[in-house]
Amino acid sequence: EDQVTQSPEALRLQEGESSSLNCSYTVSGLRGLFWYRQDPGKGPEFLFTLYSAGEEKEKERLKATLTKKESFLHITAPKPEDSATYLCAVQADTGGFKTIFGAGTRLFVKA
Amino acid sequence: EAQVTQNPRYLITVTGKKLTVTCSQNMNHEYMSWYRQDPGLGLRQIYYSMNVEVTDKGDVPEGYKVSRKEKRNFPLILESPSPNQTSLYFCASSLSSPTHYSYEQYFGPGTRLTVT
Repeated sequence: EDQVTQSPEALRLQEGESSSLNCSYTVSGLRGLFWYRQDPGKGPEFLFTLYSAGEEKEKERLKATLTKKESFLHITAPKPEDSATYLCAVQADTGGFKTIFGAGTRLFVKA
Repeated sequence: EAQVTQNPRYLITVTGKKLTVTCSQNMNHEYMSWYRQDPGLGLRQIYYSMNVEVTDKGDVPEGYKVSRKEKRNFPLILESPSPNQTSLYFCASSLSSPTHYSYEQYFGPGTRLTVT
């Protein structure tokens, strides 16, 4: 069964304290892995798409990486405005176009 | 402005009273989808549509119906709502590709539904 697990559930950082969020996935064939950011009361906003192991994408303080079993979202020198829930999702290459989301990691960055 | 719109944004209803949540996108996207979001469970896909007249089940389709008569609209229908369908609902859209790649989804602002 296709599955996505994110860890930790919540992460509290001081401003400037770099860290990583993990997304482990089990799919029969990966069509794409996505990272989204969600602010309270709003819809998710797209951050990155990764398609194959070894791929990396970067945007400001965020960098996403992908292996055959997991993806990491690295946050370098975070600021309070980076506080949000970060969601990981996959689409599997199993004949359909289902999207499976992880439960998310709630990030709190304190000034 | 490119966007996905949902209506209503908030809805309180009673068990068994049929309701429809509308979703519309102005980006000419082929792919549209409905999700529900519950605390601790994340986003779970209800139904998706690859194009007009083509719909398929996600992971939690029970109790819901959808239709795709026009490319821009993808309404979610609850014919007999029950309290366990109280949730935050999101509509999303994206491009689709005939290859094995997939594209990012653009989400609407959400509809908070309470069934009493």
